[in-house]
Amino acid sequence: AQKITQTQPGMFVQEKEAVTLDCTYDTSDPSYGLFWYKQPSSGEMIFLIYQGSYDQQNATEGRYSLNFQKARKSANLVISASQLGDSAMYFCAMREDQTGANNLFFGTGTRLTVIP
Amino acid sequence: GAGVSQSPSNKVTEKGKDVELRCDPISGHTALYWYRQSLGQGLEFLIYFQGNSAPDKSGLPSDRFSAERTGGSVSTLTIQRTQQEDSAVYLCASSLRGTSGTTYEQYFGPGTRLTVT
Repeated sequence: AQKITQTQPGMFVQEKEAVTLDCTYDTSDPSYGLFWYKQPSSGEMIFLIYQGSYDQQNATEGRYSLNFQKARKSANLVISASQLGDSAMYFCAMREDQTGANNLFFGTGTRLTVIP
Repeated sequence: GAGVSQSPSNKVTEKGKDVELRCDPISGHTALYWYRQSLGQGLEFLIYFQGNSAPDKSGLPSDRFSAERTGGSVSTLTIQRTQQEDSAVYLCASSLRGTSGTTYEQYFGPGTRLTVT
């Protein structure tokens, strides 16, 4: 089974509008971390936001917020007031804390296009 | 401050040749990771180094792949007898490790694009 599922291969959003990128995860580890990364066409992976499984509040970083629904095992990224520079691939990733494997499991990504 | 650096940025090699890819992590980061990203795909974990501990090699796809980390800093990923399916972008990342044993966010290098002809 996939540990991270991103069901939206591509998304379009009008400039200045908000957009939600979906991510669901699968783990039996009680302690885990969820990450979102942005990958522009230049190829670098840019860390955006982090949510720990025991965090009570949803993470926010500027225009990025993470809609964490633990019971549903979802960790959707919300980008508010979209900008043209937000056009990129977005990857959801998970780290399982108790297995001892510190690597990240990545989803297949969502390509976001911001329309002027 | 300096981020994670990787060299070369691009590498074209003939099938059957060996290649070495280099990663310089962020100073002070004890954890180092190698990932592979095939065209249009997410990242696939290859290997993880933490300090002087034995590396986690569970993601290496075959025994043609190996990696070293010298002095707890620079790492080299070596692919022997390259095959066309090895063509991908190879990304290195580093992170701090907390006292609880978990790691903080990973910072990625720009990657090395490997093309095997």
